[in-house]
This record gives sequence, C-alpha cells and structure tokens, in this order.
Amino acid sequence: GAVVSQHPSRVICKSGTSVKIECRSLDFQATTMFWYRQFPKQSLMLMATSNEGSKATYEQGVEKDKFLINHASLTLSTLTVTSAHPEDSSFYICSAIRYKGGTGETQYFGPGTRLLVL
Amino acid sequence: AQTVTQSQPEMSVQEAETVTLSCTYDTSESDYYLFWYKQPPSRQMILVIRQEAYKQQNATENRFSVNFQKAAKSFSLKISDSQLGDAAMYFCAYRRNPRAGGTSYGKLTFGQGTILTVHP
Repeated sequence: GAVVSQHPSRVICKSGTSVKIECRSLDFQATTMFWYRQFPKQSLMLMATSNEGSKATYEQGVEKDKFLINHASLTLSTLTVTSAHPEDSSFYICSAIRYKGGTGETQYFGPGTRLLVL
Repeated sequence: AQTVTQSQPEMSVQEAETVTLSCTYDTSESDYYLFWYKQPPSRQMILVIRQEAYKQQNATENRFSVNFQKAAKSFSLKISDSQLGDAAMYFCAYRRNPRAGGTSYGKLTFGQGTILTVHP
C-alpha cells in the first residue's frame, strides 16, 4: 500500500528555537496534504491543509506565522514550528491524499512526530 | 459545520467476544463518507472501514462491520471475534464528498475517540 513518512519521528528542542517536520509521500504524488495535532489520549485536530504550489489553508485558531507550512513538491510538505514553547509540545501527524482511478481517493497517514519543547 | 461524537471514552471486551463502538454525527450534507480509524500504541493511524453515504449496504471488512443509519446519523462499528491486537484507540471520522466541491476537500472531522481494551 501507499506509504507516508515523517521525519523526524521525535525531536526535543529548547524553547525559542524552530523545528522543521517533513512529510513525504513515498510512492505517489500528493497535491494535498494535511497536518494534524494530537494531545495524549485525545483526538486529532486539523491544523492546516497543505496544497502543492500554493499557500496553506489554516484552521481557525491556528497561528499561520507560528506554524509555517510549505508544500514545494508533489511528494513533500514541511511544517515548521517557529519559536517553539513548551505548550507546542505535542504529537504532529500528516496525511496525504492519493488518487487512484478505480478506487477513487484514499487518505494515508504518516507515523507522526513527537515534539517536546523544553 | 460537521460534528462527530463518540460517547464511549473507553470500552472493554473479552477475547473472542463481540463489541460495538458507537458514533453519531451531524451534517447538513447528503453526500459524504464515514470512516473508522484505529490508532494502536504505535500511534500510526490505520483505516479500518469506510462507508459511502449513498450506499445503503453496510460496509464489512472481515471481522469489522458497521451499522450505518443515515436518517439517525449513526455509524457504529462492530468487532467480532475480538483479538488482543484489536486493542487500540478507535476514531470515527466524517468527510464530505469532494464531488460536492468547496474548500473542505479531503478534510476529516474526527470524533473524540474510544479506547478499546481486549482482555485475554
């Protein structure tokens, strides 16, 4: 099946620094990717929709200047947490949509990135 | 806006028994998809089953089946012959049909999740 990877799988950083998380679709092209945030034992909350070649669409309440999203190619979207603070510590998950003629579209999830800000 | 509600924060079942997880949703759309996702301790999201709203027949995938009641906006998941590997957090999710157009293409709305424990 289709695979979506994320890198790094976990990262620890100091407060005030920036962290970049990569999301790659390994065997298909994805014009649309999504970024989610998940706190322990809670649901996934959509942060933004990443569109290849255009600006990301952010959900209400998500600071676009803090969570920078770049979707520069059909297989890569990046999420940069700028000036990270301890409250940004969370599990970040990306997903990508794959289009396939017979089965339509399917959304595949990455394995997630655990961010800890000290 | 669409909402998805899972009213059971936790459920438990004995191995080999059957368990049903509940999900209700609210939408003004008539064409949409519903999903059940499994998130094991690894936290990798795994698609369990998908239901298209315009299909009256309930979807099934091996031991997993759904009871889709469109008028009641209910979408429950039944797991038969439960196995230890079924232990996970289960999420019900809604997505409007992209053919309907608009800017919410592909966006999933998740329920709060249900933690399923399987006892040996």
